Amino acid sequence: NTKITQSPRYLILGRANKSLECEQHLGHNAMYWYKQSAEKPPELMFLYNLKQLIRNETVPSRFIPECPDSSKLLLHISAVDPEDSAVYFCASSLRDNNQAPLFGEGTRLSVL
Amino acid sequence: GDSVTQTEGLVTLTEGLPVMLNCTYQTIYSNPFLFWYVQHLNESPRLLLKSFTDNKRTEHQGFHATLHKSSSSFHLQKSSAQLSDSALYYCALEATGGNNKLTFGQGTVLSVIP
Repeated sequence: NTKITQSPRYLILGRANKSLECEQHLGHNAMYWYKQSAEKPPELMFLYNLKQLIRNETVPSRFIPECPDSSKLLLHISAVDPEDSAVYFCASSLRDNNQAPLFGEGTRLSVL
Repeated sequence: GDSVTQTEGLVTLTEGLPVMLNCTYQTIYSNPFLFWYVQHLNESPRLLLKSFTDNKRTEHQGFHATLHKSSSSFHLQKSSAQLSDSALYYCALEATGGNNKLTFGQGTVLSVIP
């Protein structure tokens, strides 16, 4: 899937701060962050609709999302924990059409 | 809350045999949306099928599924498995109300062997 771009693709961190970036040019009005841990299904972290945060699942406070415009999504992570090792997928959709989320390629985070 | 139950674990099939992966769901909403996603190794989940119409078959890339609200099921089927079908398959539910939260099942690994 090259329509939703995420960066970086791979990230290895100690207890540092880092931001994940996502961009889509599909005209979608909803953007999501999902976390997929090893051998588990994706879990919704955050959902934005038209730049407004409308779903904020139970996520540690060290994860802070930001939606600077309707095509861009950021995930700021501070002082990562080993349990944060996972693949973080950005996704987007046309919310009003009940369209299924289209997933980006993901950022694989490994915490040392 | 909403939940999705899939065929557990690993399904191993010989190439050419039919595929059936089970999916049942629970929700209080009467008009849920059901989806099948496929995830190949080291890739992102990709939408395979979706449906919200009761008793209507939906097809894509040789796979098909029919939403049956009477039995809360949305089983994934294919008449003849191919080696390239080997992947992880997720059934997912979105309850109506536009909350756009997908509830995923635990996933079923399909392994197709020669």
